[in-house]
Amino acid sequence: DGGITQSPKYLFRKEGQNVTLSCEQNLNHDAMYWYRQDPGQGLRLIYYSQIVNDFQKGDIAEGYSVSREKKESFPLTVTSAQKNPTAFYLCASSAPGQGARGYTFGSGTRLTVV
Amino acid sequence: AQSVAQPEDQVNVAEGNPLTVKCTYSVSGNPYLFWYVQYPNRGLQFLLKYITGDNLVKGSYGFEAEFNKSQTSFHLKKPSALVSDSALYFCAVRGAPGAGSYQLTFGKGTKLSVIP
Repeated sequence: DGGITQSPKYLFRKEGQNVTLSCEQNLNHDAMYWYRQDPGQGLRLIYYSQIVNDFQKGDIAEGYSVSREKKESFPLTVTSAQKNPTAFYLCASSAPGQGARGYTFGSGTRLTVV
Repeated sequence: AQSVAQPEDQVNVAEGNPLTVKCTYSVSGNPYLFWYVQYPNRGLQFLLKYITGDNLVKGSYGFEAEFNKSQTSFHLKKPSALVSDSALYFCAVRGAPGAGSYQLTFGKGTKLSVIP
């Protein structure tokens, strides 16, 4: 079955470390997105990519970086510059030409700073 | 710019009673509207959508939503709530193709608690 796989499910980071969250999809979707979710704040867009080798900052891109070298993959790196990285991170994908289908979401990665 | 408002952070309802989770939107042109549900530590799951046609849309798990163009609303409803319906619900909107961004804009979510 097609879908989006996020890994790991839980991730612990020490102060000053960079960590990378994986997001892979086999839906043949062109667009991919990263969201951060904090209690009571809904979903906040970090980065998005509409096509391979291209991506744009979302509303809260500071302290994060992404790459889109393959259509299937959109990894998110949480850098040491992100001062409060503890959150639940969600990856999503969509096919722009099929907007009626909305987004497909992964199951999320919970990142905790220790 | 498009936007979504979910005016209630939390909705409490007794099991067996009808439930409503409210959503209003703002978008240029005709809207594409969606409801998603999120269980703890999980991703968002699609519930239902309105694209065109009948204003009453039926979706998964017995949920339905009513599109009201004049009130720019898309409230989620269920005739009889179950304890297992307790979750976080998100409303989302985008404009029709050609109306600008194809990206979805999400509301902040409403936590639904169904009390046994």
